[in-house]
Amino acid sequence: EPEVTQTPSHQVTQMGQEVILRCVPISNHLYFYWYRQILGQKVEFLVSFYNNEISEKSEIFDDQFSVERPDGSNFTLKIRSTKLEDSAMYFCASTAGGPYNEQFFGPGTRLTVL
Amino acid sequence: DQQVKQNSPSLSVQEGRISILNCDYTNSMFDYFLWYKKYPAEGPTFLISISSIKDKNEDGRFTVFLNKSAKHLSLHIVPSQPGDSAVYFCAASQDWNNDMRFGAGTRLTVKP
Repeated sequence: EPEVTQTPSHQVTQMGQEVILRCVPISNHLYFYWYRQILGQKVEFLVSFYNNEISEKSEIFDDQFSVERPDGSNFTLKIRSTKLEDSAMYFCASTAGGPYNEQFFGPGTRLTVL
Repeated sequence: DQQVKQNSPSLSVQEGRISILNCDYTNSMFDYFLWYKKYPAEGPTFLISISSIKDKNEDGRFTVFLNKSAKHLSLHIVPSQPGDSAVYFCAASQDWNNDMRFGAGTRLTVKP
């Protein structure tokens, strides 16, 4: 069964460093998303991406964040200068599109900022 | 952003009994609601959904009920099984972007 994959599973970085989280969505999906979950808190929407551009972003997704689909398979989330409060699980999701398609989530990347 | 609320952080149920997980929302523009299940160290897994034109959707042991006037939905699991023990997230979305807003989750424990 097709699945969303994410690498790495765990990323440890120093505050102020740049990190890139990678996702491979399901191959025929058209809409891509990033969510995050700070430990003990709820899953929060970050950004949606369709047709090579951001569709919508939340207030969390500030200028430190960017997303890219560099080729036909990868979808990346970049954090330019990490802060301690960026420590969280980051989930990528994708959907085939159209209204109300359920999103398929990857296993997540745990980002730890020291 | 508290558009979707799950007020019970945890629920414990005996195997074979019914589990009822509740969710409230404040944004009347939401028109599609989903339940996700999450095991530790895994991403959320889609469970069941309902659109605002319906008030009930059933899939095996799982039934979701929607009360639009009360802005309330619930997930019923009957009968509950130990493998159902997980965190359950309620999510809501509107329009074609499908940008979901999640509740805080309810940790369900089903005891044998």
